Amino acid sequence: AQSVTQLGSHVSVSEGALVLLRCNYSSSVPPYLFWYVQYPNQGLQLLLKYTTGATLVKGINGFEAEFKKSETSFHLTKPSAHMSDAAEYFCAVRTTGANSKLTFGKGITLSVRP
Amino acid sequence: GAGVSQTPSNKVTEKGKYVELRCDPISGHTALYWYRQSLGQGPEFLIYFQGTGAADDSGLPNDRFFAVRPEGSVSTLKIQRTERGDSAVYLCASARGGSEETQYFGPGTRLLVL
Repeated sequence: AQSVTQLGSHVSVSEGALVLLRCNYSSSVPPYLFWYVQYPNQGLQLLLKYTTGATLVKGINGFEAEFKKSETSFHLTKPSAHMSDAAEYFCAVRTTGANSKLTFGKGITLSVRP
Repeated sequence: GAGVSQTPSNKVTEKGKYVELRCDPISGHTALYWYRQSLGQGPEFLIYFQGTGAADDSGLPNDRFFAVRPEGSVSTLKIQRTERGDSAVYLCASARGGSEETQYFGPGTRLLVL
């Protein structure tokens, strides 16, 4: 079984500040890991994903995440927040096997203060 | 190209009624997924199709829920005898296939059962 933990439901940062959204996962097999962003009244958009290879993954809009197997973490970061980053962010995990359903965390709402 | 589309975008129904939710995947995508997102939660897996067949329906909550994909393209999620607890956003995603597939999500159908 797989699970994802996103601690806290809301993060608020100032424009230009570092964004750090935490994600820890549980998986009995090597996972594939994803971050999705959801803007109000829109569908989920893929920010970045880790499958194999380099553990530091760069995504769209200046976001990146690092897969740390020893810590079972996949935290999302962005050096400088922009007002347009305000949205809900979901971390997800799936196995590399044939059943490729995603298991999502509860999500974190990011607010950006001017 | 066109993304995943879902219709209707909003559906209001009365308790006990039958509803159908439609998903048009990205052309050429063989894998199709349905998820349900309740307020304040991450999406939860319902069912996964590979082609015309349901490869995994372990997430369907009970026998009131059923989904079909008769020609391997469009899918319909059917809910019988709706209950107030069925109110949620129903998300559809499609993927090309392969072990490192990315799931692309539609905007969702917001279902409200009165």
